Amino acid sequence: KNQVEQSPQSLIILEGKNCTLQCNYTVSPFSNLRWYKQDTGRGPVSLTIMTFSENTKSNGRYTATLDADTKQSSLHITASQLSDSASYICVVVVGGSQGNLIFGKGTKLSVKP
Amino acid sequence: DAMVIQNPRYQVTQFGKPVTLSCSQTLNHNVMYWYQQKSSQAPKLLFHYYDKDFNNEADTPDNFQSRRPNTSFCFLDIRSPGLGDAAMYLCATRGTALNTGELFFGEGSRLTVL
Repeated sequence: KNQVEQSPQSLIILEGKNCTLQCNYTVSPFSNLRWYKQDTGRGPVSLTIMTFSENTKSNGRYTATLDADTKQSSLHITASQLSDSASYICVVVVGGSQGNLIFGKGTKLSVKP
Repeated sequence: DAMVIQNPRYQVTQFGKPVTLSCSQTLNHNVMYWYQQKSSQAPKLLFHYYDKDFNNEADTPDNFQSRRPNTSFCFLDIRSPGLGDAAMYLCATRGTALNTGELFFGEGSRLTVL
């Protein structure tokens, strides 16, 4: 069964600190993996898309990694800001013509002053 | 500028009173999705359109219907909302390249059922 598991479920950090969010998947065939940021009460916004051949991709203070062998991805946030408080959702796209999306439940990040 | 617009952002209805949520897009994308998202849960796909072709998920209740009169607009109709239908409803669009195409979400419509 295609699944995406994220950890931790929630995380509280102090402003300025770094953190890493994890995403493990059992999706086959694999097409690509996406990280989204969802502010409370808003729609998800794309942070990055990672294909099979990409190991690391950065978007400002966000750096995503992908290990296709172990089927793991991480999202590292550097020098956190209060505005980083949100849910971070990992989504894996199943290979094939339909491009089905498998969503993780998200990690809720709270950045405190 | 917003590319996927959902209305209303907040909808309050009574138990059993029909509700329609709308979604419009300026991206000219072929695919439009409707997701239901409850608190602290992943978005759950209800159905999607590929152009005019309607694709219903097997476990989507009959209470949920959808219409797509043209490329730009898509509607979610909840015929008889129950308390369990209170949730955030997200509309999303994607271009033809389903595997690699970016997915754009609207801001969501939060439904409260009294």
